[in-house]
Amino acid sequence: DVKVTQSSRYLVKRTGEKVFLECVQDMDHENMFWYRQDPGLGLRLIYFSYDVKMKEKGDIPEGYSVSREKKERFSLILESASTNQTSMYLCASSSSIAGLGNEQFFGPGTRLTVL
Amino acid sequence: QKEVEQDPGPLSVPEGAIVSLNCTYSNSAFQYFMWYRQYSRKGPELLMYTYSSGNKEDGRFTAQVDKSSKYISLFIRDSQPSDSATYLCAMSGTSYDKVIFGPGTSLSVIP
Repeated sequence: DVKVTQSSRYLVKRTGEKVFLECVQDMDHENMFWYRQDPGLGLRLIYFSYDVKMKEKGDIPEGYSVSREKKERFSLILESASTNQTSMYLCASSSSIAGLGNEQFFGPGTRLTVL
Repeated sequence: QKEVEQDPGPLSVPEGAIVSLNCTYSNSAFQYFMWYRQYSRKGPELLMYTYSSGNKEDGRFTAQVDKSSKYISLFIRDSQPSDSATYLCAMSGTSYDKVIFGPGTSLSVIP
């Protein structure tokens, strides 16, 4: 059974704290993604990575950074958390093999609250 | 105009009803069309995947794409309470492009 796991289901942090969200996939996928999901706005792409040590900005990268030191692990970092970063954060992975389209496998999400 | 639009609902139907979920989009380059289902407190999971125009059926689910109208639909026949979830449409231009997600439609099937 393929799996994407995220380090925490719920997280409460204070404004200004540095926050680390970790994601691990066991499918040997090349591509990994970080989204945030907010009511009415849907899934918005923060960052993605096509390979180890590679990263690309998504649609809303401001206030975030990422790290991919190993193929199976993709970390999202909030350098200085702010209240407007309170959201559900979803990690996903997909294969680069042509013919599989863009099926993405998602983790269960981390609900982050910044006070 | 948003790139992908979807009626947010919530949509509430009785068990056994036929459900129609719809998305419109503006980018004529989209060729891959997907429907994801997201249960409460879970991540989305792929439900249906279609390339280009036409219909695709899988059990009680039918995905329909009309590229000329830039309109896609997901039909659920004989809806069940277990179908209660948020349904997100998603699309991309090629298998290497970013996937663009709709905001999702919340569906409740009442026993």
